[in-house]
Amino acid sequence: KQEVTQIPAALSVPEGENLVLNCSFTDSAIYNLQWFRQDPGKGLTSLLLIQSSQREQTSGRLNASLDKSSGRSTLYIAASQPGDSATYLCAALTTSGTYKYIFGTGTRLKVLA
Amino acid sequence: ETGVTQTPRHLVMGMTNKKSLKCEQHLGHNAMYWYKQSAKKPLELMFVYNFKEQTENNSVPSRFSPECPNSSHLFLHLHTLQPEDSALYLCASSQDVRVRWQPQHFGDGTRLSIL
Repeated sequence: KQEVTQIPAALSVPEGENLVLNCSFTDSAIYNLQWFRQDPGKGLTSLLLIQSSQREQTSGRLNASLDKSSGRSTLYIAASQPGDSATYLCAALTTSGTYKYIFGTGTRLKVLA
Repeated sequence: ETGVTQTPRHLVMGMTNKKSLKCEQHLGHNAMYWYKQSAKKPLELMFVYNFKEQTENNSVPSRFSPECPNSSHLFLHLHTLQPEDSALYLCASSQDVRVRWQPQHFGDGTRLSIL
């Protein structure tokens, strides 16, 4: 059974710092891995989606990497800003049984001005 | 505009009430999903519809009854709920459940509180 873990659960950094959020998954049989952002009281916004055949994806100041063999993905945020404060979720699309996303519990990020 | 609209945003109901959650997507997608997000727990997939047909029921109790009259609308009918059903209910859509390289798009959710 696929399990997705995100560490740390919460993170507080000063503005301008580069930071890395971690996501690990127990079953390497995934189709893709998606990173989301969730603001308080809001739904999820897709940030980056990495196919299982890809190693990384980039969008602006965000870079996500995927290492299937080690069961890890990282989300790198460059030059963090207060507007980046949110909860970041990763989700692995498992190929075992029916295709469905298994979500982590998220990392709550606070960027201090 | 997220493209996926959920109503109501907040709902408080007693355990004996019957209510419905509504989701509408304007993205031309054919797959729609219901998720439950409880405090300090991962999102849990509840139901999946593809071209109006239910393709997934993730062992959800029968007090939750989904309805998908067309590819743009999805409902979740609620009756005789329990306090542990209090959560944020999120709707999502995607092009097609078989088009797995496309992301899911989420609404802002309905915050449900059971008294």
